[in-house]
Amino acid sequence: QVQLQESGPGLVKPSETLSLTCTVSGGSISSYYWSWIRQPPGKGLEWIGYIYYSGSTNYNPSLKSRVTISVDTSKNQFSLKLSSVTAADTAVYYCARVEYYYDSSGYRTYYFDYWGQGTLVTVSS
Amino acid sequence: SYVLTQPPSVSVAPGKTARITCGGNNIGSKSVHWYQQKPGQAPVLVIYYDSDRPSGIPERFSGSNSGNTATLTISRVEAGDEADYYCQVWDSSSDHQGVFGGGTKLTVL
Repeated sequence: QVQLQESGPGLVKPSETLSLTCTVSGGSISSYYWSWIRQPPGKGLEWIGYIYYSGSTNYNPSLKSRVTISVDTSKNQFSLKLSSVTAADTAVYYCARVEYYYDSSGYRTYYFDYWGQGTLVTVSS
Repeated sequence: SYVLTQPPSVSVAPGKTARITCGGNNIGSKSVHWYQQKPGQAPVLVIYYDSDRPSGIPERFSGSNSGNTATLTISRVEAGDEADYYCQVWDSSSDHQGVFGGGTKLTVL
């Protein structure tokens, strides 16, 4: 059973960089895509981006200028950096494994089958 | 970017059937996935590829998708089904991004 665990500071100052790591256990990080998703308090889910174990990435256009996702296969970990944070970035941050398949139109469609427990990051001075 | 619309809340009596909708432009041409999130917990995948259930998800959970509406149906609703439910699609347009609906709070009366 794959398990994911987020780790990192729970408090970040405005204008600084938020950094989180997701550690994968119970399976290899190889051959899969991995994603970050966030949820502001009392609000819905927002996809941040994904990374393939080989290092290729794709980000939410609304966050693309501030987001970097990286992977360390030797440690079975992947990480998130979000720069120039503001109070609007306060949220529970989840890491998740991504599954995909080709739908009837021939397009890849992705979904999230395993999730970490989430970690609350508050942006405040 | 692609927009998914869910009703904020749905209420149902125990033992009855709950239907949670997810609206989007020609959503029937996309694959829809559904997640259940209980308070203080991470989301759990309950339906993928419109109507497939991951192992461990009860048969009471089913999904359909046609036209401009996808539907998550929960039969014989139990108190433990009370949760927020989110639909999700992959927008394969130029943005190529994951999109979630705003979520629906299911209340078991």
